[in-house]
Amino acid sequence: LAKTTQPISMDSYEGQEVNITCSHNNIATNDYITWYQQFPSQGPRFIIQGYKTKVTNEVASLFIPADRKSSTLSLPRVSLSDTAVYYCLAGINYKLSFGAGTTVTVRA
Amino acid sequence: NAGVMQNPRHLVRRRGQEARLRCSPMKGHSHVYWYRQLPEEGLKFMVYLQKENIIDESGMPKERFSAEFPKEGPSILRIQQVVRGDSAAYFCASSPPQGGLAGGSDTQYFGPGTRLTVL
Repeated sequence: LAKTTQPISMDSYEGQEVNITCSHNNIATNDYITWYQQFPSQGPRFIIQGYKTKVTNEVASLFIPADRKSSTLSLPRVSLSDTAVYYCLAGINYKLSFGAGTTVTVRA
Repeated sequence: NAGVMQNPRHLVRRRGQEARLRCSPMKGHSHVYWYRQLPEEGLKFMVYLQKENIIDESGMPKERFSAEFPKEGPSILRIQQVVRGDSAAYFCASSPPQGGLAGGSDTQYFGPGTRLTVL
């Protein structure tokens, strides 16, 4: 898996858009970019996965530039319940490696 | 469609006892993965199993830890002679036989975890 770097924490307010950028300079040609969300005392929850350009689902959008050395997870109109740790993973191997992630705190 | 099930959710053991953690994958999933999360750390891969086969156990400690995924029944992570350092959250994940995306990475779906406390 490619090493990923993401901010340790981010603060936001309800209704705002939250964008978390992840760097993966050593991403390999076959690697996919996957984001997970984890609440305290729960297992990680799959959010979104992409390979290039833009992917959107009912929860989030994932933007990946042409060089694929970074990606941005976009959470539209966050609510208090979006407070969680968000993990960026880059790879295709089943050995998922979770770093410290980004702790997103949403305030009223 | 039930998600990944793990039991027990909380397990307390004294040093030297055995801990058995169970994981039932999502319906239709035949691949199971175990991860360990120490306090304030990210999840670390332990082992990858398919029915009756251990595919990759490179993340498992060399001693006291074992895993199985029998033809029938849940996957079991077994820790013998537990020590205080084994206290952690153990997560199981499952994935379908062929990747969640055509040609892409297998999406893993995680269970709620078992929190093991060793006294």
